[in-house]
Amino acid sequence: EAQVTQNPRYLITVTGKKLTVTCSQNMNHEYMSWYRQDPGLGLRQIYYSMNVEVTDKGDVPEGYKVSRKEKRNFPLILESPSPNQTSLYFCASSSRGVDTEAFFGQGTRLTVV
Amino acid sequence: GENVEQHPSTLSVQEGDSAVIKCTYSDSASNYFPWYKQELGKRPQLIIDIRSNVGEKKDQRIAVTLNKTAKHFSLHITETQPEDSAVYFCAASQGGGGNKLTFGTGTQLKVEL
Repeated sequence: EAQVTQNPRYLITVTGKKLTVTCSQNMNHEYMSWYRQDPGLGLRQIYYSMNVEVTDKGDVPEGYKVSRKEKRNFPLILESPSPNQTSLYFCASSSRGVDTEAFFGQGTRLTVV
Repeated sequence: GENVEQHPSTLSVQEGDSAVIKCTYSDSASNYFPWYKQELGKRPQLIIDIRSNVGEKKDQRIAVTLNKTAKHFSLHITETQPEDSAVYFCAASQGGGGNKLTFGTGTQLKVEL
């Protein structure tokens, strides 16, 4: 089954404790992205990657890191999480092309206390 | 960068009525405009999309119109049903679903019996 898988689904952590949210897709997609969803703000792009070893900042990259060492994986790293990073996070992937659909993972609800 | 504005933020209609959600974008280079539906607790899923060389696209009860000159596009849902209740997001992109998608802030649609 074609899918984008994120882990964990829920995470509560303390300020400053490094964490990684994993994202994996099995569709051989070139593009992968991370978004955060906050009430009233919609989905905002954090980082995106157009292919292996190619990443670029989205609209809200501060406090986040990503890597794309393999085509299927695109982990999101929070080196020193802060309470303002409490949010719902989505990973998405799509194939190359002008009008290709972005497939979203099931989401990770992160709470930083 | 691209900026997408979406209105209204909430919309309540009676079952069987039509619903219209409107979005405007700022970057004339954007050429791909998808609409996503997010049910409560679920991931966003593509419901319809349109490219900039097309003025209108229809898929059963949903349709999207695009006015490139005015830089706005709209989602039309006819004969609404309770299962249409969800949050709807418009988005704009210059190159496909994964490459720098900019989302609107979302519209909470409620279809009342």
